[in-house]
Amino acid sequence: DAGVTQSPTHLIKTRGQQVTLRCSPKSGHDTVSWYQQALGQGPQFIFQYYEEEERQRGNFPDRFSGHQFPNYSSELNVNALLLGDSALYLCASSSSGGEETQYFGPGTRLLVL
Amino acid sequence: GQSLEQPSEVTAVEGAIVQINCTYQTSGFYGLSWYQQHDGGAPTFLSYNALDGLEETGRFSSFLSRSDSYGYLLLQELQMKDSASYFCAEVDSNYQLIWGAGTKLIIKP
Repeated sequence: DAGVTQSPTHLIKTRGQQVTLRCSPKSGHDTVSWYQQALGQGPQFIFQYYEEEERQRGNFPDRFSGHQFPNYSSELNVNALLLGDSALYLCASSSSGGEETQYFGPGTRLLVL
Repeated sequence: GQSLEQPSEVTAVEGAIVQINCTYQTSGFYGLSWYQQHDGGAPTFLSYNALDGLEETGRFSSFLSRSDSYGYLLLQELQMKDSASYFCAEVDSNYQLIWGAGTKLIIKP
């Protein structure tokens, strides 16, 4: 039973570029949440997807968008990258109604130069 | 607003007991989760309290008092591998997890 997987593990981009991060949830989970974690900080909620729709959104600009596919996998897209977008991006999966227990992937470390 | 407060760093000795406190101020509170994160790793779920009282899972226990807007994580028989950051995270009425800044636990031999 595979856990949550994310790709790529590391990524280097320059300001103004666009990036797409990918996540496959744990088997049996239908809800995917995305978080941004800066060094030394707790994860910040970006948004959550359920049934292929954005169900909840945190305090992030529209440059951050996402998608969920019928197989529950998800993508996070960030446009017009800024230096401040450099962070660890975490994907977490859960089952609907069980969001208090989230299973995290290893994360994608994004560096914007 | 919503905010969670927990100490930034706690130091303890191997084999000892340590308590990490968390206070929260929010409306629409549903429960409190605890996560462990080793350096360079992903957070892993430890426990969840929706009701007042103590939840025990092996060496780890978590406590919640809704009337005091307070909870804690208790780690017993500390091992060197317990050195990590510990996060309290509130589950709100929208089933969002709102995270504290984390407590770095340093364990000395």
